[in-house]
Amino acid sequence: SQQGEEDPQALSIQEGENATMNCSYKTSINNLQWYRQNSGRGLVHLILIRSNEREKHSGRLRVTLDTSKKSSSLLITASRAADTASYFCATGGSNDYKLSFGAGTTVTVRA
Amino acid sequence: DGGITQSPKYLFRKEGQNVTLSCEQNLNHDAMYWYRQDPGQGLRLIYYSQIVNDFQKGDIAEGYSVSREKKESFPLTVTSAQKNPTAFYLCASSVGERTEAFFGQGTRLTVV
Repeated sequence: SQQGEEDPQALSIQEGENATMNCSYKTSINNLQWYRQNSGRGLVHLILIRSNEREKHSGRLRVTLDTSKKSSSLLITASRAADTASYFCATGGSNDYKLSFGAGTTVTVRA
Repeated sequence: DGGITQSPKYLFRKEGQNVTLSCEQNLNHDAMYWYRQDPGQGLRLIYYSQIVNDFQKGDIAEGYSVSREKKESFPLTVTSAQKNPTAFYLCASSVGERTEAFFGQGTRLTVV
């Protein structure tokens, strides 16, 4: 089974609104990462947060990490049509190079 | 330009044939990965390699094989033992452990 699970599976919002998606994981981690995938393309790295960090920002992105609850959230503020994509969380293990992905959240931003 | 290149972009395979997907990176990364993605689903790890001449099975290695003879190359062979190989295959690399991964543009494999 996959390490990370995103929620919701799909999200549709109006341009300018904020989009929030969550990720839960099962085992201890060294870091948690968020990626974006446009349809039929490879993944693009967005942000990495380490297990000793609680919050991180990058432009319009805000990521939080709660290791006690084994969960993370990704907030995209002031969404744009170009933000339409699938978003995946990935966890880096504590003891190896393994990078495990969740099933993703599909975000549609309506103009 | 530095990056990770997968070829071909589309690949068609007859049942019973082995096919090899190419993955090359010029980022001088130690770690490389192969993932499989089925429609509407997330990425499942097939194999990963932390260093030349060493690789480990991921979650769905059955029916696949890899080699890591050179740092920049990590080819994936889909064998006839893989019962349902039609999928989108993604290769990635990273500097090392606990860092961001860079992805290729993927190979879409279809069994005909």
